[in-house]
Amino acid sequence: AQKVTQAQTEISVVEKEDVTLDCVYETRDTTYYLFWYKQPPSGELVFLIRRNSFDEQNEISGRYSWNFQKSTSSFNFTITASQVVDSAVYFCALRGTQGGSEKLVFGKGMKLTVNP
Amino acid sequence: GAGVSQTPSNKVTEKGKYVELRCDPISGHTALYWYRQSLGQGPEFLIYFQGTGAADDSGLPNDRFFAVRPEGSVSTLKIQRTERGDSAVYLCASSISGTGAGNTEAFFGQGTRLTVV
Repeated sequence: AQKVTQAQTEISVVEKEDVTLDCVYETRDTTYYLFWYKQPPSGELVFLIRRNSFDEQNEISGRYSWNFQKSTSSFNFTITASQVVDSAVYFCALRGTQGGSEKLVFGKGMKLTVNP
Repeated sequence: GAGVSQTPSNKVTEKGKYVELRCDPISGHTALYWYRQSLGQGPEFLIYFQGTGAADDSGLPNDRFFAVRPEGSVSTLKIQRTERGDSAVYLCASSISGTGAGNTEAFFGQGTRLTVV
C-alpha cells in the first residue's frame, strides 16, 4: 500500500518568514515519483515539482526548495521569504510504478496562510 | 484549449438523479485521470485511462460510478442514483505519459463541484 502523510494541517506565518511543509511517504516500490502541488482558492491544482526516487539531489527554484531524504522517506518543501500570494493548500503526492497504474496518492494537504 | 477543461463548473442535483461530468484534456495527452476531493481532504483517485481504455478503475467507490473515454480524448464521468455522500469536487487531470513509466506530471482542471441535495 502507498501512503502520504502531511502531519501539519494548517500553518499561519507573517510575510517574509520561511516555512517548511513536511511530507512523509510509504511505498514498497523501489522506483517511485514524488510531487508537490499547490491549490490556491480558485481550486485548480498547480504542479510545482516532480522528484524521482533514484535522484536524491535537493532542488531550488527561486524561493522554493525541496529536501528529499530516502533514509527517512521524507520530501519536505521550504518556502523562503514567504509572500501573501503563497497562501494556498499544498499537497504532497506519490506515484508508484508497480502494476502499471499511474495514479497519484495524495496527502491530506497543508493550508498555508501568509499574513501581510 | 491550453489546459484541462471541465464542465460544468458547478452542478446541483437531487438525490437519486443521474449526472454526467465532462473532461476535455490537454491535446495530445494520452493519459487521463479522475479524482474526487472532499472538503478538507486531498484528492482521491477514481479511475485512470490510457487512451480509450481504463487502465485502472480501482478507485471507483461502487457500481454507480462509471467513466468512458470513447475516442481517447474527452472523458465523461457518470454517476447513477446520486447520494448526498457523492457531493464533492470532481477533478480531472491529463498527462503525456504513454509509457507507463510514471515520470510525467499530471495537469489538473479546475474541477466540477457536485452538490447532491
